[in-house]
Amino acid sequence: DTGVSQDPRHKITKRGQNVTFRCDPISEHNRLYWYRQTLGQGPEFLTYFQNEAQLEKSRLLSDRFSAERPKGSFSTLEIQRTEQGDSAMYLCASSLPDRGSGGYTFGSGTRLTVV
Amino acid sequence: GDSVTQMEGPVTLSEEAFLTINCTYTATGYPSLFWYVQYPGEGLQLLLKATKADDKGSNKGFEATYRKETTSFHLEKGSVQVSDSAVYFCALRVNQAGTALIFGKGTTLSVSS
Repeated sequence: DTGVSQDPRHKITKRGQNVTFRCDPISEHNRLYWYRQTLGQGPEFLTYFQNEAQLEKSRLLSDRFSAERPKGSFSTLEIQRTEQGDSAMYLCASSLPDRGSGGYTFGSGTRLTVV
Repeated sequence: GDSVTQMEGPVTLSEEAFLTINCTYTATGYPSLFWYVQYPGEGLQLLLKATKADDKGSNKGFEATYRKETTSFHLEKGSVQVSDSAVYFCALRVNQAGTALIFGKGTTLSVSS
């Protein structure tokens, strides 16, 4: 297992279209996180799964965003009716269970451009 | 709410210069503190961490000490290399199971030979 994989690396879409991204975490990691990073900013937390359960969602995650992790392995993040403001790097990370002292392993991200 | 403030960049240094990137935090609990690095075209990588006051995290010649009294976690390196050119992010995580990492805005470091 070489790390966290994200697909695609880049996505260009027209405004109003739906897009879906995939994240494959490190196999023994039961926690999976989605972040969004815009230019010149740090990553912002979107949502988090423990196994297949989505345990927390940020207020940044509008109704147009939905994330799933159906079997507790890979996860998908879907954005419906994309807007130009959705253009960003979407990062996935995974981790082992801990009491908050551990870091995450991040994927390389999916760069979304909405035109 | 919990937050991280980093010094604004870019930071431009010559090779072998001393590096300091300032980071201060605000947290309601007792957080763990992290530095992540993002090299051009790559994902975020954990550089070092400290989980309690007065701990020093270190890796690849970089160091940072968890200072509770000044709520700081400044990143230092004695002699930077061109290969250290990257964006550096300070982050915190409250010591509670399942909590998310909260990042600063990042500081771009550019090292020239």
